[in-house]
Amino acid sequence: ETGVTQTPRHLVMGMTNKKSLKCEQHLGHNAMYWYKQSAKKPLELMFVYSLEERVENNSVPSRFSPECPNSSHLFLHLHTLQPEDSALYLCASSQDARGETQYFGPGTRLLVL
Amino acid sequence: QKEVEQNSGPLSVPEGAIASLNCTYSDRVSQSFFWYRQYSGKSPELIMSIYSNGDKEDGRFTAQLNKASQYVSLLIRDSQPSDSATYLCAVPWRGGYNKLIFGAGTRLAVHP
Repeated sequence: ETGVTQTPRHLVMGMTNKKSLKCEQHLGHNAMYWYKQSAKKPLELMFVYSLEERVENNSVPSRFSPECPNSSHLFLHLHTLQPEDSALYLCASSQDARGETQYFGPGTRLLVL
Repeated sequence: QKEVEQNSGPLSVPEGAIASLNCTYSDRVSQSFFWYRQYSGKSPELIMSIYSNGDKEDGRFTAQLNKASQYVSLLIRDSQPSDSATYLCAVPWRGGYNKLIFGAGTRLAVHP
């Protein structure tokens, strides 16, 4: 796959597990995003990184912890999640944090038991 | 009032017809607008952007913008079953970086 890739594509975890989602963009972009998409709800922005600096934490619970080691990689560390956290987690990137065209990865379908 | 509103549908149209998808937004200073298509189980894909009042055409797709009425629409001519998807309207937040506010999406079903 080119563009924006995400792994794993599917994840099932218990409430006491720790897991991480990975996103990688091959577009030379400087901004990366995490979104949550739950059934029948709009896409919810979780975090924005611009040049590896977090510029937005959209009131996300601390059980979600992002990490951006460089402009091409973005992680979402998950710890003690709740069943209501089950959703599709989408990563996106754009040229910069003022660039308005965002390109999405395929997403990770997360199920918390 | 929601920041970006869309009728959730489903909007059902016969193959070959024109599908009309509508979106209203609350921020009067918004300058750009985006339409994303999302197939079931897939991620959103940008299909149109529009910045000026009026129409913008790209193949079978036409985006229409009316800033005075805070209304943006997407027309799909000669609808095909492969156009069946959820269409998301997105508007950038007015802050200093790009935060897109998405509508809940309209599900389009094109039947043969």
